[in-house]
Amino acid sequence: KAGVTQTPRYLIKTRGQQVTLSCSPISGHRSVSWYQQTPGQGLQFLFEYFSETQRNKGNFPGRFSGRQFSNSRSEMNVSTLELGDSALYLCASSLSGHPTDTQYFGPGTRLTVL
Amino acid sequence: ELKVEQNPLFLSMQEGKNYTIYCNYSTTSDRLYWYRQDPGKSLESLFVLLSNGAVKQEGRLMASLDTKARLSTLHITAAVHDLSATYFCAVDMGVRGTYKYIFGTGTRLKVLA
Repeated sequence: KAGVTQTPRYLIKTRGQQVTLSCSPISGHRSVSWYQQTPGQGLQFLFEYFSETQRNKGNFPGRFSGRQFSNSRSEMNVSTLELGDSALYLCASSLSGHPTDTQYFGPGTRLTVL
Repeated sequence: ELKVEQNPLFLSMQEGKNYTIYCNYSTTSDRLYWYRQDPGKSLESLFVLLSNGAVKQEGRLMASLDTKARLSTLHITAAVHDLSATYFCAVDMGVRGTYKYIFGTGTRLKVLA
């Protein structure tokens, strides 16, 4: 069974640009969550999608947005990039997003903003 | 302020020894998660603890949850080198069916041969 895949794995952008990251969950998983990991702020929850609907959201500005498609694949978009957006972005999938579900994480996309 | 604190932040231990990592959190929750991260890699889910007194064990790792004390522990028994990694706890502090995951700072564990 294929794991969670994320593309691209590495990305370099400049301030003010926008970026879209993609996450393909494990087959049959309908919940996709996104996380940001930085040396300064650590791991932070961005949002969670289930059946194409955003169910939960962390404390991030509106520049961070996402969506989920009917095949459960998800994209995350960051507009007007800032230097502080440089981070490892992780997505995780689970069957339904229920608290008892195990989350399976992708390898991450490392974003560098210059 | 919603806070999740782990200690110690760094832990260097000899193979064969036992040790405990602590995770304290600042507000009521009965949903706590433990993850492992190897250097340069992604996260791996270890344990899901969903009630007071919950205890889960996998190999040399055992996690427990005391919701009254707002404390979870990750106990390592007879450590081996392969356990070297960073361990994170995360608490779901969401209310009314919403998720609000707050992660601890992580404990970097190094097991010395």
